[in-house]
Amino acid sequence: DQQVKQNSPSLSVQEGRISILNCDYTNSMFDYFLWYKKYPAEGPTFLISISSIKDKNEDGRFTVFLNKSAKHLSLHIVPSQPGDSAVYFCAASRVHTGNQFYFGTGTSLTVIP
Amino acid sequence: NAGVTQTPKFRVLKTGQSMTLLCAQDMNHEYMYWYRQDPGMGLRLIHYSVGEGTTAKGEVPDGYNVSRLKKQNFLLGLESAAPSQTSVYFCASRTGNTGELFFGEGSRLTVL
Repeated sequence: DQQVKQNSPSLSVQEGRISILNCDYTNSMFDYFLWYKKYPAEGPTFLISISSIKDKNEDGRFTVFLNKSAKHLSLHIVPSQPGDSAVYFCAASRVHTGNQFYFGTGTSLTVIP
Repeated sequence: NAGVTQTPKFRVLKTGQSMTLLCAQDMNHEYMYWYRQDPGMGLRLIHYSVGEGTTAKGEVPDGYNVSRLKKQNFLLGLESAAPSQTSVYFCASRTGNTGELFFGEGSRLTVL
């Protein structure tokens, strides 16, 4: 059973606008969440993370929001750039008791110039 | 720094053949992982290791074996390849209980 879900397989956004990628999880024990970006023929690269003690984390154009009660997190990219076109995976883990990272199925973002 | 290096990058096997994928990391990370990526399935954990000499099963371990004889290396073996094992395989490593995963570039395996 998929513990981390990304229900939107794809998203298209105009350059300069905001991109919002969503992720839901089912296991309330997860306490560490990450977003990865993947270009074709490359390995995923780490983008941003958030601990469950926070509800927001920012890094430049990227902001991750966590809603623990809804078991939902989102990644906001503002402003979106053509170079942001990639597949984005969210992942979840239990920091102190688990060694496994559970990944969603990914959302393919296309930023249109 | 090379980071996480996977070899080979591409391989074609016939059903029933065996092979080993090698993952090497030069970051002195304790934890190492093998994932497979399939269309519509995301990244699924095959096996992982929390230190030299240790291994553990992930979500989809059947048909695979692993070994971590040296801290920097994590080997993934297919004893008798099946077409269902056609996939892109990613190795990753991380340090300690916190911190993100660092991934290799992937190994594309096709089983005919």
